[in-house]
Amino acid sequence: GENVEQHPSTLSVQEGDSAVIKCTYSDSASNYFPWYKQELGKRPQLIIDIRSNVGEKKDQRIAVTLNKTAKHFSLHITETQPEDSAVYFCAASNSGGYQKVTFGTGTKLQVIP
Amino acid sequence: GAVVSQHPSWVICKSGTSVKIECRSLDFQATTMFWYRQFPKQSLMLMATSNEGSKATYEQGVEKDKFLINHASLTLSTLTVTSAHPEDSSFYICSARGRGGAFNEQYFGPGTRLTVT
Repeated sequence: GENVEQHPSTLSVQEGDSAVIKCTYSDSASNYFPWYKQELGKRPQLIIDIRSNVGEKKDQRIAVTLNKTAKHFSLHITETQPEDSAVYFCAASNSGGYQKVTFGTGTKLQVIP
Repeated sequence: GAVVSQHPSWVICKSGTSVKIECRSLDFQATTMFWYRQFPKQSLMLMATSNEGSKATYEQGVEKDKFLINHASLTLSTLTVTSAHPEDSSFYICSARGRGGAFNEQYFGPGTRLTVT
């Protein structure tokens, strides 16, 4: 089955700086890579996703890059704000079967005002 | 659109009793629903996948006789934790996916906090 690794587990940045979270996956059949933000006690919220036919996607301060050859993808948050503080999960899925999603281990991001 | 609800939002039960958690898609037909368990400071771990009208597919290591899943309609799936024990205390989250498209997004419910005393 798919295995998704995520680094770092914790990340502290000063407000206004950039934050980068990196993930690797094992299953070459995976072709959909969503990123979720989860606040304490709440449901995960999809913040951005990327499909395997695209190398990079950007949405305002958030961008994701994908390297299919190396099987890794990254989340970039620029101009971080205190409200960006949360746990972020990367995930991988493929279009076969039930399209189940395998989550990474999570990164706790703290933005220091 | 694409709203998923869960009930109850939290529940406390005594060891040995059973607890049922409901997951509903409110404005779309959910062909597939997923049940996750999340322990404190950990990731979401998929427990099982259910499709309407068929038996659930459980992930390795998840006891199907302990975690009963029923997907009786296109808008409702239930998870019953039977003979609950303190180690079953966790945050249970469902997600639902609708019809159509190759890459259907999953919509998550708000989660149910289960505490077994």
